[in-house]
Amino acid sequence: EPEVTQTPSHQVTQMGQEVILRCVPISNHLYFYWYRQILGQKVEFLVSFYNNEISEKSEIFDDQFSVERPDGSNFTLKIRSTKLEDSAMYFCASLGPGGNTGELFFGEGSRLTVL
Amino acid sequence: AQKVTQAQTEISVVEKEDVTLDCVYETRDTTYYLFWYKQPPSGELVFLIRRNSFDEQNEISGRYSWNFQKSTSSFNFTITASQVVDSAVYFCALSDTPNFGNEKLTFGTGTRLTIIP
Repeated sequence: EPEVTQTPSHQVTQMGQEVILRCVPISNHLYFYWYRQILGQKVEFLVSFYNNEISEKSEIFDDQFSVERPDGSNFTLKIRSTKLEDSAMYFCASLGPGGNTGELFFGEGSRLTVL
Repeated sequence: AQKVTQAQTEISVVEKEDVTLDCVYETRDTTYYLFWYKQPPSGELVFLIRRNSFDEQNEISGRYSWNFQKSTSSFNFTITASQVVDSAVYFCALSDTPNFGNEKLTFGTGTRLTIIP
């Protein structure tokens, strides 16, 4: 079964460092998303991306965050200067074309720990 | 503003018992979508169901069933004859973005379900 893959599974970084989280969505999907889950809390929407541009973003997604689809397969989330409160599990998701279910396929997440 | 409330933080039941997970939502929109996702110990989010606001028919899929009631703004999830593999955190979510592809989900805080063998 096709799946969304994310790397790294866990990254530890120092406050102020740049981090790039990578995602490979399902190959024929056109819509891409990042969500995050602070430990033990609810999952929160960060950004949606379609046709090489951001469709919508939340108030969490400030100037420190950016997304990119550098090639035909990867979808990346960059945090320019990490803060302690960026520590969370980051989930990438994708949605296929013409799917009536609106079924977002989520990856297994990348856990980011900022020290 | 949208809000999803899952008042049950943790539930434990003995295997083979039925269990219902509650979800109450708030939205000002007349068109919206409701979801349930499962998060097993491995961490990924697994899609279970999506319902639109115009379809109040209950849905059954194997041991899973969902009861959508607009009058009480609830979208409850029942597992019949629970199994140990059902142990997970279950999230209810709401999207009031009707355009396909703009699936900006608002999640509840989740219910941790433990099935005791």
